[in-house]
Amino acid sequence: SAVISQKPSRDICQRGTSLTIQCQVDSQVTMMFWYRQQPGQSLTLIATANQGSEATYESGFVIDKFPISRPNLTFSTLTVSNMSPEDSSIYLCSGSGYTEAFFGQGTRLTVV
Amino acid sequence: AQTVTQSQPEMSVQEAETVTLSCTYDTSESDYYLFWYKQPPSRQMILVIRQEAYKQQNATENRFSVNFQKAAKSFSLKISDSQLGDAAMYFCARGVPSGNTPLVFGKGTRLSVIA
Repeated sequence: SAVISQKPSRDICQRGTSLTIQCQVDSQVTMMFWYRQQPGQSLTLIATANQGSEATYESGFVIDKFPISRPNLTFSTLTVSNMSPEDSSIYLCSGSGYTEAFFGQGTRLTVV
Repeated sequence: AQTVTQSQPEMSVQEAETVTLSCTYDTSESDYYLFWYKQPPSRQMILVIRQEAYKQQNATENRFSVNFQKAAKSFSLKISDSQLGDAAMYFCARGVPSGNTPLVFGKGTRLSVIA
């Protein structure tokens, strides 16, 4: 399976600022997925990112708040914009192969 | 809705004993995969075991095995000889071949292992 390097692993940010999370995959994947996970909870899909097209967002998530880039088949970024304490969470990126999904190590974001 | 249900928010097991985590799912797909992922406090999602729906034989990976009941849409995980390192959140998930759609996850079961 592929390996995804996700950075940063954690950050503490001031409200009103933005944070960009990066995911680098060691092989090409068609789709990448971005999730948010509250502590002790399941994963909530934010958006699906395909190279060369605008990301597809799930209900409750908008591009202005969570812009995503997918410049090539091995890289993607998620920006959390104009942060508030409610954005404090774990953010995970994922890529899917034919028979399994693999994940980055997660970013623990705390907004103060 | 095509959902994955884990009815046990928390489970505990004595070290060296066996525990079974439950999962049921709903799907209209004829070809799909089922997964159990483990998430320790490090946050890394780790694939524990995978089952292809077209295979009748239950998947096994060392101490981990599944009981896949396709007609009942049930997919339970059995952990034998539990170890302290097995303590984690366990997520059941369903996906389809191709990788172009995201997995559908259950809410998770938190497993504690008692020494």
